Amino acid sequence: GQQLNQSPQSMFIQEGEDVSMNCTSSSIFNTWLWYKQDPGEGPVLLIALYKAGELTSNGRLTAQFGITRKDSFLNISASIPSDVGIYFCAGPNTGNQFYFGTGTSLTVIP
Amino acid sequence: DAGITQSPRYKITETGRQVTLMCHQTWSHSYMFWYRQDLGHGLRLIYYSAAADITDKGEVPDGYVVSRSKTENFPLTLESATRSQTSVYFCASGQRGAEQFFGPGTRLTVL
Repeated sequence: GQQLNQSPQSMFIQEGEDVSMNCTSSSIFNTWLWYKQDPGEGPVLLIALYKAGELTSNGRLTAQFGITRKDSFLNISASIPSDVGIYFCAGPNTGNQFYFGTGTSLTVIP
Repeated sequence: DAGITQSPRYKITETGRQVTLMCHQTWSHSYMFWYRQDLGHGLRLIYYSAAADITDKGEVPDGYVVSRSKTENFPLTLESATRSQTSVYFCASGQRGAEQFFGPGTRLTVL
């Protein structure tokens, strides 16, 4: 079935560094969403993107909806320890089926 | 409290038993969703509902049944539990089909 591939799978960074991750699909998506999941909890919505090329920020987070509508990018600036968690991209494809990405695990070293 | 709740939070059952996981939201969101989360597979959509009395299959619906007689509730039933259904189950809701807000999850173990 449909798969959203995220890269990298995991990241280990120093506190204060910037982070970049991306998500790619084999099919076109109408909306891109980015979620963060802490251990033992449900995913929390960070950013929603609705138009190709759209760039949206939420504090230190910035996400972009790729021009081809098959990819999206998430950047975190000046990382802090509470940024630790798993980041998922997600969205509905043109068939209105909703998919989540494979996840990027982020570890921030103080 | 406002939000989305799931019950039970933890459940252990035996193969072949029927299990129902409950989901309740107080936002009056139109859409509700059930996902399972497994290592190596991420989150996969089981069923979703666009409104009361309307349900549709997701990516992995086999072995599950849902109903939505009221907007605020969306129970998920495993009619005859199997070991492969051991997982963490998340319910979510949203006013539109895109942005979704998740519950805390139910950890189900089938022995």
